[in-house]
Amino acid sequence: SAVISQKPSRDICQRGTSLTIQCQVDSQVTMMFWYRQQPGQSLTLIATANQGSEATYESGFVIDKFPISRPNLTFSTLTVSNMSPEDSSIYLCSGGGRALYNEQFFGPGTRLTVL
Amino acid sequence: GENVGLHLPTLSVQEGDNSIINCAYSNSASDYFIWYKQESGKGPQFIIDIRSNMDKRQGQRVTVLLNKTVKHLSLQIAATQPGDSAVYFCAENIVGNTPLVFGKGTRLSVIA
Repeated sequence: SAVISQKPSRDICQRGTSLTIQCQVDSQVTMMFWYRQQPGQSLTLIATANQGSEATYESGFVIDKFPISRPNLTFSTLTVSNMSPEDSSIYLCSGGGRALYNEQFFGPGTRLTVL
Repeated sequence: GENVGLHLPTLSVQEGDNSIINCAYSNSASDYFIWYKQESGKGPQFIIDIRSNMDKRQGQRVTVLLNKTVKHLSLQIAATQPGDSAVYFCAENIVGNTPLVFGKGTRLSVIA
């Protein structure tokens, strides 16, 4: 298994500002993903973080709003840009291998509140 | 895209009883399934997985059953304990074609 940490664990931000969330994995993983989870709801995939290239975004999510970096196999960042109250959510990082069967492990999440 | 759904959004069980959490999936091409447990304020925790070439897999106090004919997945927890109280998610994908698609979640409450 992989141990995944995220920083910050929570933050309260003002409308119009940006926040960068960091994700660190304790071992090399092939795949890293960013999810969003609204309170009381399931996880929605934002994008796949690709090492050394642009992230692959899901429908409804765009690079200008959620720029993602992944400079190596153990680290990724997600920025929530020009925030509005609708961006208040939990943001989760996950990692796993592109092995035959794809176990994915999750970080503890970043709880974001936008005022 | 297709979604993984659940029959029961909430489930309350007596401590010591067995729990059964159900999940219906719609993508017949999915061949790998995972159950996650998410406690309040934490990220999802991997519980158990099952591949499509299996019907049943057992872990410590947990069993996952897969019925591909009706596209149904279940998680059985034996002798449910207060520490089992959490939200449980099923997730699916196609091997080699990540990422996972998550179901809506079932909240399990254990009554002492």
